[in-house]
Amino acid sequence: EAGVTQFPSHSVIEKGQTVTLRCDPISGHDNLYWYRRVMGKEIKFLLHFVKESKQDESGMPNNRFLAERTGGTYSTLKVQPAELEDSGVYFCASSQTIPGLFYEQYFGPGTRLTVT
Amino acid sequence: AQKVTQAQTEISVVEKEDVTLDCVYETRDTTYYLFWYKQPPSGELVFLIRRNSFDEQNEISGRYSWNFQKSTSSFNFTITASQVVDSAVYFCALSEAWNTDKLIFGTGTRLQVFP
Repeated sequence: EAGVTQFPSHSVIEKGQTVTLRCDPISGHDNLYWYRRVMGKEIKFLLHFVKESKQDESGMPNNRFLAERTGGTYSTLKVQPAELEDSGVYFCASSQTIPGLFYEQYFGPGTRLTVT
Repeated sequence: AQKVTQAQTEISVVEKEDVTLDCVYETRDTTYYLFWYKQPPSGELVFLIRRNSFDEQNEISGRYSWNFQKSTSSFNFTITASQVVDSAVYFCALSEAWNTDKLIFGTGTRLQVFP
């Protein structure tokens, strides 16, 4: 079974440009999450999708970030326009949903974003 | 407020030494979950363990063991007879019962095991 995949693995862009990160969850996982780790700091929750709906977007930093999950499959995270402080590693995770049971989140390898 | 503190930024040991990674958490909930994840050089976070707040039994899995103590709000992780392959960044995390989907992570501890 394929794990969570993320594309690209690295992205270097200039301040003011736009970048789109993609996440493909494990097949059959309804839950999809985005997290971010700024250099040396904790991994912070950004948002949570259940299928195509945003369940919790309390961690999104500001309106320069737009996450979508078309058809409840893969997800994209767009940053427009990018700022220097957006640099970091963006992780995607997915998990199953069966009522009454707890399923762990499986993480992808992350996308390292550098804004110069 | 919820918070996870991993005070050890980096630990270096020589192979076969035992090493303990500390994790201290803060939460106002009485029901919560604690996790450890490993991030090897390949980058992905690998799930190691989950404990719920009602189960304070220590757990052992091979060379790994976990010590959960509610009295000190700690969930420490010990690797016995460390190996070079244990070199990684280890993250402790917390989620609360009202929102189990939101993991709150610590800053991670980088473990380097030298041959």
